[in-house]
Amino acid sequence: ETGVTQSPTHLIKTRGQQVTLRCSSQSGHNTVSWYQQALGQGPQFIFQYYREEENGRGNFPPRFSGLQFPNYSSELNVNALELDDSALYLCASSRDRGSGANVLTFGAGSRLTVL
Amino acid sequence: GQSLEQPSEVTAVEGAIVQINCTYQTSGFYGLSWYQQHDGGAPTFLSYNALDGLEETGRFSSFLSRSDSYGYLLLQELQMKDSASYFCAVDNFNKFYFGSGTKLNVKP
Repeated sequence: ETGVTQSPTHLIKTRGQQVTLRCSSQSGHNTVSWYQQALGQGPQFIFQYYREEENGRGNFPPRFSGLQFPNYSSELNVNALELDDSALYLCASSRDRGSGANVLTFGAGSRLTVL
Repeated sequence: GQSLEQPSEVTAVEGAIVQINCTYQTSGFYGLSWYQQHDGGAPTFLSYNALDGLEETGRFSSFLSRSDSYGYLLLQELQMKDSASYFCAVDNFNKFYFGSGTKLNVKP
């Protein structure tokens, strides 16, 4: 089974710009969660998508938004980029129920640098 | 909200046993997970405890006490490849909130 794939792997933006990050979930997974991981810190929950709807959100401003598509892939959009948005953005997929519902499978991440 | 506390760094020698503790406060709780992350890598799942007690998976074991809002990860027969960061994460109704991580340094 294919794992979680994210693109791009690295990108550099300037303050005020907008960025879109993409994620393909693992086969058989219908739930996608996005995390922000600053250097030396743990992953911080941004939001989760299930059945193409936002299904929970962490402490992130509205300029962080997302989408989930019928094939369960997902996008994370960040508007009006700030320097503090520089981080590794991780996508994780999971099942909504049954065996494996409590296991997150992470992609390798997209490293965003904001200058 | 959620808050999780775990030691920032632990050092141990090859072959030893190490315990990484995690205390948490959360508004909702299904269970406690542990993830391993090597430098430059993605977090990978190690264990999940929904009920009180010890779960063993090979060299790794994880413990949960729901009444104490406390858990730990026990790593036995440490190997150099175990050098990594370890994160506890609370399952708040299928949304996972992570601690800041414990960096484990295994020395020969």
